[in-house]
Amino acid sequence: NAGVTQTPKFQVLKTGQSMTLQCAQDMNHEYMSWYRQDPGMGLRLIHYSVGAGITDQGEVPNGYNVSRSTTEDFPLRLLSAAPSQTSVYFCASSIQWGASKAFFGQGTRLTVV
Amino acid sequence: AQSVTQLDSQVPVFEEAPVELRCNYSSSVSVYLFWYVQYPNQGLQLLLKYLSGSTLVKGINGFEAEFNKSQTSFHLRKPSVHISDTAEYFCAVSYAGGSQGNLIFGKGTKLSVKP
Repeated sequence: NAGVTQTPKFQVLKTGQSMTLQCAQDMNHEYMSWYRQDPGMGLRLIHYSVGAGITDQGEVPNGYNVSRSTTEDFPLRLLSAAPSQTSVYFCASSIQWGASKAFFGQGTRLTVV
Repeated sequence: AQSVTQLDSQVPVFEEAPVELRCNYSSSVSVYLFWYVQYPNQGLQLLLKYLSGSTLVKGINGFEAEFNKSQTSFHLRKPSVHISDTAEYFCAVSYAGGSQGNLIFGKGTKLSVKP
């Protein structure tokens, strides 16, 4: 089983560039989310979705957009990259919101120069 | 707002010694509690979770955790660690019910097992 697939694994952007981090899951999970991981900060929630067509902001949403047109895909868009967005980004999905095991992708390491 | 505190950012320990990684959460309402492990350059994997019932939860790789409601703690333990347990461990919490089901993570504890 593929589980949660993130692409790309690594990316370098120049300040001001835009890009989309892809996330796809093949488990028919309703709940998907994006986190960023920074040293000493743990994982912080950027945006999440409880189903197709429904998204909401997490703890650190500024500078990021999301959409959920299908159950399988949950892309994260950086509109105008800034050095403060240098981080490792993780996508996660789960069957149930709150109580169930979350499945994480392998991460995207993004550097903004 | 909910928060999760992992009291130790780094824990060095010798192989075959016992280890306890501490986690406290702030919520006074019913919560679900999780421990995740992250090996270098990988995503997070679930070690164990507490939803309800017995306060002692057993997980994979010989880990266990005890839910203590009065102390709002969910400490992770292993009686004898291996070199392969070297990783970063994250405690996480979510509300049991209501509209907030997102995972709130602690800042992580790096476990370093030395031979």
